[in-house]
Amino acid sequence: AQSVAQPEDQVNVAEGNPLTVKCTYSVSGNPYLFWYVQYPNRGLQFLLKYITGDNLVKGSYGFEAEFNKSQTSFHLKKPSALVSDSALYFCAVRTMDSSYKLIFGSGTRLLVRP
Amino acid sequence: SQTIHQWPATLVQPVGSPLSLECTVEGTSNPNLYWYRQAAGRGLQLLFYSVGIGQISSEVPQNLSASRPQDRQFILSSKKLLLSDSGFYLCAERDRGYGYTFGSGTRLTVV
Repeated sequence: AQSVAQPEDQVNVAEGNPLTVKCTYSVSGNPYLFWYVQYPNRGLQFLLKYITGDNLVKGSYGFEAEFNKSQTSFHLKKPSALVSDSALYFCAVRTMDSSYKLIFGSGTRLLVRP
Repeated sequence: SQTIHQWPATLVQPVGSPLSLECTVEGTSNPNLYWYRQAAGRGLQLLFYSVGIGQISSEVPQNLSASRPQDRQFILSSKKLLLSDSGFYLCAERDRGYGYTFGSGTRLTVV
């Protein structure tokens, strides 16, 4: 069965510093991986996805993620954090059955301090 | 691009009352549709999904049900709400480009 793990409940970083939000996955076959961000009382906003191709995926708002098949990881990164990046971040994997549903990690709260 | 409409945005309902949350989508015909629930501002749990009109699959046993009476309409219902049904409910659609679009959500508080 497919699953996603986000080992950190919260990540704290100073504005201007690089940030990393970790995600590992477990799937059979080639994974389709996603990152979403959620601001308070809002829906999920798409950041980026990995389907195939280059292991470094660039997404919205300056975020990028690196797909690492050997480590089964898909960490989200940004070179320079902004206070406005503070939010809840979700990693997700798409299932391979006909439902094509997304299975989400438990979420990581990112707090960027000024 | 896809657009998802969810309403209402917030809802306060007494225990034992009925529930109906509606989700409508614009764009792709015959989309895959999903209902997720988020409790306590954290993890997202898939409740139901639908691959076509009248086709509903339930992921977890619960007090809720779902229906898809039209191609672009997905409804979440309950006959009698429980306190544990409180949460943030999100409707989502899978588009043809391997992407997913989420609605703005409904905050349900059962009192």
